Amino acid sequence: SQKIEQNSEALNIQEGKTATLTCNYTNYSPAYLQWYRQDPGRGPVFLLLIRENEKEKRKERLKVTFDTTLKQSLFHITASQPADSATYLCALDPGTGRRALTFGSGTRLQVQP
Amino acid sequence: DGGITQSPKYLFRKEGQNVTLSCEQNLNHDAMYWYRQDPGQGLRLIYYSQIVNDFQKGDIAEGYSVSREKKESFPLTVTSAQKNPTAFYLCASSNRLGNTQYFGPGTRLTVL
Repeated sequence: SQKIEQNSEALNIQEGKTATLTCNYTNYSPAYLQWYRQDPGRGPVFLLLIRENEKEKRKERLKVTFDTTLKQSLFHITASQPADSATYLCALDPGTGRRALTFGSGTRLQVQP
Repeated sequence: DGGITQSPKYLFRKEGQNVTLSCEQNLNHDAMYWYRQDPGQGLRLIYYSQIVNDFQKGDIAEGYSVSREKKESFPLTVTSAQKNPTAFYLCASSNRLGNTQYFGPGTRLTVL
């Protein structure tokens, strides 16, 4: 069955460092991969979308990579700030058929001042 | 002010009662979705709708029902058949299936 794995343990880093979050998947061939941010008690907010034929996408301090051979996406936040503390979810879209997103369980990031 | 709204924010229900969660969007999106989120878990798809008067079951549709009579509205009914309904419910919309989703603020349902 399809499986999406994100590190369930919280990631704690110091302010100013780069945070790297991982999204691994199995039994899935996504055409698109999206990353969302979710704050406690609130709905997720879209951050970035990357296509299967793109290796890397950037937006301000955010960078996403997509390796379809490794079946993995990495999400980087450079020069992290305490305001970046949140849970980050990856979501996969097959591109055809049932095109509803499948979400991972998320990784909680805590940036210490 | 465009967006997606859900009401109420908190909802309490007695066992055996049906309850309806509201979801409205003014983004002119064709696709709408309902997810359930349990503590420490990701979002699980309950139902989705690609267009008015059409909807499809997601991964955990048992015990839930929806309607899509208007483009801007996609209410979710949690029936008494849902064995463990206490959860955080999120509604989302996108201009079409697969595109970036915009989420509402969520409704936290507690069964007493």
